[in-house]
Amino acid sequence: AQSVTQLGSHVSVSEGALVLLRCNYSSSVPPYLFWYVQYPNQGLQLLLKYTSAATLVKGINGFEAEFKKSETSFHLTKPSAHMSDAAEYFCAVSSVEDTGRRALTFGSGTRLQVQP
Amino acid sequence: DAGVTQSPTHLIKTRGQQVTLRCSPKSGHDTVSWYQQALGQGPQFIFQYYEEEERQRGNFPDRFSGHQFPNYSSELNVNALLLGDSALYLCASSLVRVRSHEQYFGPGTRLTVT
Repeated sequence: AQSVTQLGSHVSVSEGALVLLRCNYSSSVPPYLFWYVQYPNQGLQLLLKYTSAATLVKGINGFEAEFKKSETSFHLTKPSAHMSDAAEYFCAVSSVEDTGRRALTFGSGTRLQVQP
Repeated sequence: DAGVTQSPTHLIKTRGQQVTLRCSPKSGHDTVSWYQQALGQGPQFIFQYYEEEERQRGNFPDRFSGHQFPNYSSELNVNALLLGDSALYLCASSLVRVRSHEQYFGPGTRLTVT
């Protein structure tokens, strides 16, 4: 069974500082990996995805994530935080092994606060 | 390009009642998944529909049922509502031929059970 662990339920950074949100996965085979963002009272928006094409993945709004198989990690980063980045971020995985089983398994989320 | 739409936006029901939530997928998508997001938690997978059949189901009781129509839209039905069913219900759509099966989410329906 797959699982996702997001270390740190709350992260606070200053505007302009580096953003680092951590995600580790547990899977016998490297899965597909995703980062989603959720603004208050809204649905989830896809930030970026890893599908084995490249280990460094660039997404929207200046975010990127690096897949590291040896560390089973897929951490999300952004060089310079903006106030508008304040939101809840979710890491998710889906299986590559069984095309009939494509449910996303989500982590518990990390709330990012950006201080002025 | 129309994204995923859900209705209603908010709903208040009484314990024991039944509720139906609706979802229209993103244009061109053929697969619909439903998730339950309790307050302060990540979404939990309920089930997924493709070609009008339930293809995969999460760990939810039979009180949760669904349907997919020929136009790919979908409904989620919950019977005998419990207080614990209060949550944000998210619909996501995807295209089966895309290997990564990335899913695009709607704004959700906020269900409150009193």
